[in-house]
Amino acid sequence: LAKTTQPISMDSYEGQEVNITCSHNNIATNDYITWYQQFPSQGPRFIIQGYKTKVTNEVASLFIPADRKSSTLSLPRVSLSDTAVYYCLVGDGPGSSNTGKLIFGQGTTLQVKP
Amino acid sequence: DAGVTQSPTHLIKTRGQQVTLRCSPKSGHDTVSWYQQALGQGPQFIFQYYEEEERQRGNFPDRFSGHQFPNYSSELNVNALLLGDSALYLCASSRKARSHEQYFGPGTRLTVT
Repeated sequence: LAKTTQPISMDSYEGQEVNITCSHNNIATNDYITWYQQFPSQGPRFIIQGYKTKVTNEVASLFIPADRKSSTLSLPRVSLSDTAVYYCLVGDGPGSSNTGKLIFGQGTTLQVKP
Repeated sequence: DAGVTQSPTHLIKTRGQQVTLRCSPKSGHDTVSWYQQALGQGPQFIFQYYEEEERQRGNFPDRFSGHQFPNYSSELNVNALLLGDSALYLCASSRKARSHEQYFGPGTRLTVT
């Protein structure tokens, strides 16, 4: 299974753009990259998923370089309410060994300050 | 449109007892997965149910069992509770069994004393 590595924690200020990078050196050809957000005492929330290049939705952007060994979640103009834990996961592609079985690491705790 | 719901919200049990947790998936979803989240850790996959059968299982002992009903709702049962079973139990639903886009409920906080 592809393992992911993320920073344990990050600090930012309101209004700034935040980029969280995840390393997944052993990502399989069929694996997708998925990011989740979790607030204290709540279940994780799906943010974005991508396979290559760039994906953007109303919440975030996901940048994936050509070698796919890493990915970067970009949160534009963060607010205090973006303080949460962010998880990077890989898998879900056809033939992947962990389709449907989300494997969470420690995640990155983002603290947004006023 | 109701999201994923779980009951109860909180539960306190004694070592050795048995517990049943319940989950109703988001409307339109047919797959339910269960996760255990200890304090300060990421969620750990327990198992997944699709078409009323257990399709995938994580590294959890047989004390953890489940069931899915024809209306897609699900139960998680834990027998012979240990202190280490104290955690937040999360239910997630999805449209298909092999999807990483899952919708989580608020969880059930289980405390074993």
